[in-house]
Parts: sequence; C-alpha cells; structure tokens
Amino acid sequence: GAGVSQSPRYKVAKRGQDVALRCDPISGHVSLFWYQQALGQGPEFLTYFQNEAQLDKSGLPSDRFFAERPEGSVSTLKIQRTQQEDSAVYLCASSSGQGANYGYTFGSGTRLTVV
Amino acid sequence: TQLLEQSPQFLSIQEGENLTVYCNSSSVFSSLQWYRQEPGEGPVLLVTVVTGGEVKKLKRLTFQFGDARKDSSLHITAAQPGDTGLYLCASKGAQKLVFGQGTRLTINP
Repeated sequence: GAGVSQSPRYKVAKRGQDVALRCDPISGHVSLFWYQQALGQGPEFLTYFQNEAQLDKSGLPSDRFFAERPEGSVSTLKIQRTQQEDSAVYLCASSSGQGANYGYTFGSGTRLTVV
Repeated sequence: TQLLEQSPQFLSIQEGENLTVYCNSSSVFSSLQWYRQEPGEGPVLLVTVVTGGEVKKLKRLTFQFGDARKDSSLHITAAQPGDTGLYLCASKGAQKLVFGQGTRLTINP
C-alpha cells in the first residue's frame, strides 16, 4: 500500500482484557518497528523486526507484551491482561533500509485506553 | 542508552515570528533525524543530518548539526499556523531510532 496502515485506530479495553493491534507496513519494507507514545512524550522503542525475525525486543515493558510478524509483512502487537499504565498510542513504522539516510514511515497509530 | 533533551518543551508564538528549537545529546550522534507530528498522526520525517557542521534547508526551515555531532537546532523563519505540531529529534543508530521528548509548537494566527 501507499503508507503504513494500523488498526484499529482506537481501542478501549477493560483492565485485564487481552488486545491485539495490527500493522500493515509499506509493501517491500523489510524493517518494521513498534513504538509506544505516552501523552505529551516522544515515542519509545518497543521492538524491531527484519523480515520475520524479531531482532530486538529490548523495549517491551513486560512479558505481557508480545509481537509477531510470521510472514515478514503484517505484524501484530499483543498485550495480555492489560493494565491502566498500558494506555498510550502504539505506533508502527517501516523502513526499506537501515543506512543513516533511511527514514521511517509511521502509521497513524492505535490509541489504547484501558479502563 | 543515548539520552536526547529537547528545548523548549513548549513554545507558543505569533504568526510571522522566527523561532529556534534545540536537541542535545549525552553522546555523539551517528546521524540525527527531525520529525514533525500532528495530532492523531504518526511522525513524518523532515530531514536527516549526518556530518558535523551540516546545514540543510527545507523551505522556511533550517536544520543545523553541531560540529561535534552532539547537538542540533531547527530554525523556522516567518512561522505560519501550518507549522503547528510536535517537533521530534531522533538519534538513528544501527537498528532503531531513539527520540527526544519533543517540542510542542503552537503558531497563533
């Protein structure tokens, strides 16, 4: 597609509920990233895929967070037993390369509210 | 982990004024990118700077990379309401971007 597509745009979850957030990257982009953005803050790195391989998951805040990209295209970020502190915007980005001059194309994000 | 500090955190000025926002790092940048983010949207890449002392211009926006590659500035000339948004600097490492907390800019008509 022309851009990075994320769904749903908004998600309200009751505390303790599991959620799944979807990211469709730009076709052909091998690198895919997930970021978490709290209100009024910059995005914080969660995890990174190169094709289907998850090369860095150092930013995942707890073992309740899990990401996958089984066929090297669409990715899903799953949060189990959601807590109020998980409320944030979750951004997905893709990139065609890793050199210094490659930028990321971000989706519009999924705003998760845990009540 | 590299820490990026952006200043000011908030800036509200009148249309037509000039402004400068800053990004400072605790360590040398490999390369640095500036993004702009509007409400409800993801960040959009404005520019990448790689070489110390580099200056890049994008219409009314001028980006400067410090000689020691530990700081950067964004200068906007004759600001317009369409410049309103969250300006983020980001350090680009081998595999991921590390963002500052951003400068929230409001241009009042």
